[in-house]
Amino acid sequence: DGGITQSPKYLFRKEGQNVTLSCEQNLNHDAMYWYRQDPGQGLRLIYYSQIVNDFQKGDIAEGYSVSREKKESFPLTVTSAQKNPTAFYLCASSPPGGDLNYGYTFGSGTRLTVV
Amino acid sequence: QQQVKQSPQSLIVQKGGISIINCAYENTAFDYFPWYQQFPGKGPALLIAIRPDVSEKKEGRFTISFNKSAKQFSLHIMDSQPGDSATYFCAASKRKSQGNLIFGKGTKLSVKP
Repeated sequence: DGGITQSPKYLFRKEGQNVTLSCEQNLNHDAMYWYRQDPGQGLRLIYYSQIVNDFQKGDIAEGYSVSREKKESFPLTVTSAQKNPTAFYLCASSPPGGDLNYGYTFGSGTRLTVV
Repeated sequence: QQQVKQSPQSLIVQKGGISIINCAYENTAFDYFPWYQQFPGKGPALLIAIRPDVSEKKEGRFTISFNKSAKQFSLHIMDSQPGDSATYFCAASKRKSQGNLIFGKGTKLSVKP
């Protein structure tokens, strides 16, 4: 089955600690995205990558970092500089645009809580 | 110009009723308008999408209506069922440039039995 796998499902972070969220896709999609979801805030773009070894900041990139060394993988690191990291994090991927059904495929998310 | 405004924020509908969610955009270059459905604890899933060259698209009980001149589009859920209770997001983008999807803030729909 093709899809996106996010792990872990739940993650607890101590103050001052960096944590890395995993995102793997086997859909052969070129583009991958990280979103943060907070109640009433919708989906806010953190980082995105259109191609291996290249990525761009989204609307709320401060305190986060990413890498794209392989087409299948797009891990997100939440650094200690992110002051309010408690949220639901969603990874997505998409094929090249132009097709009406090119919509994003999302993973099941990682819920990060600061303890 | 990049915003997509979605309303209402929450919606309660009786079983069998019609649920209507509205979205408005500003960027006239947008040419792809999908709707996503998200259940609690899950990622959003593509529900239905429309291009601006058609005014309406129907898939089962779900219909997108599109008004290009008003820069508005809406989702209608006919014969709403308790299983439709979820958060719905509208979005917009420019397909050919592989532009990123701009999401509305979501509508939490509750369908009462």
